[in-house]
Amino acid sequence: EAQVTQNPRYLITVTGKKLTVTCSQNMNHEYMSWYRQDPGLGLRQIYYSMNVEVTDKGDVPEGYKVSRKEKRNFPLILESPSPNQTSLYFCASSPRSPGHELNGYTFGSGTRLTVV
Amino acid sequence: KNEVEQSPQNLTAQEGEFITINCSYSVGISALHWLQQHPGGGIVSLFMLSSGKKKHGRLIATINIQEKHSSLHITASHPRDSAVYICAVRSRGGSEKLVFGKGTKLTVNP
Repeated sequence: EAQVTQNPRYLITVTGKKLTVTCSQNMNHEYMSWYRQDPGLGLRQIYYSMNVEVTDKGDVPEGYKVSRKEKRNFPLILESPSPNQTSLYFCASSPRSPGHELNGYTFGSGTRLTVV
Repeated sequence: KNEVEQSPQNLTAQEGEFITINCSYSVGISALHWLQQHPGGGIVSLFMLSSGKKKHGRLIATINIQEKHSSLHITASHPRDSAVYICAVRSRGGSEKLVFGKGTKLTVNP
């Protein structure tokens, strides 16, 4: 089944303890991206990647790192989490069409992160 | 002012009604997306538009590039259409940044 898999689904951690949220897709998509969703603010883009070894900042990259060493994986790293990073996180992927336009997105199921 | 504005914020309808959700944006775009977020939290991509109109089942999406406006219509609404509908735009100029509206919460009562 074509899908984007995020792990873990739920995570409670303490301030300052490094963590990684994994994202993997099995559709050979070039584009992958991370978003956070907060009440009243909606979805906001954190980082995105157009292909292996190519990453770019979204609107809210502070406090996050990403890497794209392989096409299928795009982990989100919080080196020193803080309570303001408590949020619902989504990973998504998309293919590029022959004309290099991105098509519709496939989203992961989300990761609910709480930093205490 | 947000780059992407959706209206209404909340919408309650009776089963069978015709629904319209609006999205206005202030920047030049290469594409506009409509997403559906289920009550359980999962997000599904409904449409990607760069011009004109698209239809999928009871859902129709239109875009007017000159007026910087898009609409999502649901015909013969059903309680299972209850969800948050989110508009997102991709800016012109080669960037693949997505900017989202805050969403429209739709409740369809039987």
